[in-house]
Amino acid sequence: NAGVTQTPKFQVLKTGQSMTLQCAQDMNHNSMYWYRQDPGMGLRLIYYSASEGTTDKGEVPNGYNVSRLNKREFSLRLESAAPSQTSVYFCASENSGANVLTFGAGSRLTVL
Amino acid sequence: GENVEQHPSTLSVQEGDSAVIKCTYSDSASNYFPWYKQELGKGPQLIIDIRSNVGEKKDQRIAVTLNKTAKHFSLHITETQPEDSAVYFCAASKGADGLTFGKGTHLIIQP
Repeated sequence: NAGVTQTPKFQVLKTGQSMTLQCAQDMNHNSMYWYRQDPGMGLRLIYYSASEGTTDKGEVPNGYNVSRLNKREFSLRLESAAPSQTSVYFCASENSGANVLTFGAGSRLTVL
Repeated sequence: GENVEQHPSTLSVQEGDSAVIKCTYSDSASNYFPWYKQELGKGPQLIIDIRSNVGEKKDQRIAVTLNKTAKHFSLHITETQPEDSAVYFCAASKGADGLTFGKGTHLIIQP
């Protein structure tokens, strides 16, 4: 029972490079989320997808794009990475209406 | 949008003592209030939650209380143990647009 799987776990980028964080869940959940976690800032919502084919901006969407590839997968893309995007990124999924989020183990991204 | 304030940012207690973490929220339409525990190197995990039609909920050594009038809710951990050391997050939600989290409390259990 894998739950929510994120790849990669660690990544170092140079300013201006692009990359995609992958997330997959095997719980047949409808909703998926991307959060970033920074020291002293808690967890802030970047984007979410309430169902396959839909995406919406969260609190801090600038500099990111997302794709809900299918019901299982929700990817986060940084087109031109900036040092301010150095963070730990968490993907989560939820069975619609239950409000209970299941988180992945996180992806630590460093932008030099 | 919703704003969740959490205090304290760090809490150190002796093993066996109780710990209390407090949160306030701004949006009176919020109706779901979970607490998540995050251990080092892992993602947050739900430990207890409460909905706005309930004032208190208990699960063994942990309990959550909610005061809708004052718009605040609290996590209580009794008889603390070393494995309770972690970062705890409160959150609030009013629907399908995700949770708004507090900034977290680093709970340290002193032996």
